[in-house]
Amino acid sequence: RKEVEQDPGPFNVPEGATVAFNCTYSNSASQSFFWYRQDCRKEPKLLMSVYSSGNEDGRFTAQLNRASQYISLLIRDSKLSDSATYLCVVINYGQNFVFGPGTRLSVLP
Amino acid sequence: NAGVTQTPKFRVLKTGQSMTLLCAQDMNHEYMYWYRQDPGMGLRLIHYSVGEGTTAKGEVPDGYNVSRLKKQNFLLGLESAAPSQTSVYFCASSYAPLLAGSSYNEQFFGPGTRLTVL
Repeated sequence: RKEVEQDPGPFNVPEGATVAFNCTYSNSASQSFFWYRQDCRKEPKLLMSVYSSGNEDGRFTAQLNRASQYISLLIRDSKLSDSATYLCVVINYGQNFVFGPGTRLSVLP
Repeated sequence: NAGVTQTPKFRVLKTGQSMTLLCAQDMNHEYMYWYRQDPGMGLRLIHYSVGEGTTAKGEVPDGYNVSRLKKQNFLLGLESAAPSQTSVYFCASSYAPLLAGSSYNEQFFGPGTRLTVL
C-alpha cells in the first residue's frame, strides 16, 4: 500500500462548481499535512497547509481527520485557472516529505 | 532572488552515458532534495541532504549519486544512464521540516529537468 493515496481523477467540472478531493495516509506518525498544486509541465507549489482544526483560504478549504488518517480539499466556485494537479503531501516522522500521486482537475467553460 | 534553479532544463542521453544535474538555491535552506516524477507514480525521493557535506538515500536511490559540497548547491549524478531513468527530475529545498511555524515547512521546487535516455 502506498504511504499517501489519492483519487487520480481526472475530475472534469464546469466553472462555478464545487469539487472535493480526498487523500489518505498510512503512517499514523505523520505530523504535518499540505496541499500542493502542480500546473502542467511546471513544478509543484504550496497551495495551503492543513491544520487539525481545518482551515480556509478564500475559495479553498482543507480538513484533517487524524483518527481516520484522511485529508480533504474543497474548492468552491471553481475557476478555469484552478485546472491543475493537486498533490497531497505529508511529513512523516523521519522528516521527509511524502507526496501522493496527485488528482487532476479540469475546470471547463 | 532566483529561488531554486536547475540546469539543464532538457537532456537526451544514450544508454551508458553519464551526466550531472545541478541544483542551486539562494534562500539559505539547510535541506535539499532530488525527486523524480513519472506518470501515475507521483514524486519519489531519490536522495536528500540535511546540510552541507551530508547526503542520505531516499526511496529510489539506485543508479544515482549526489554531493553537497556547498550549502547552496546539490548535484545529482547518473554514472551509467538507463532507459528506466527517463523521467522529470525536480530539485527542492526547505528549512528543516517540523520546526515551529508553518512557514518553515514549505518546499520550494526548481523548474525541473526533462531527461530522456535512449
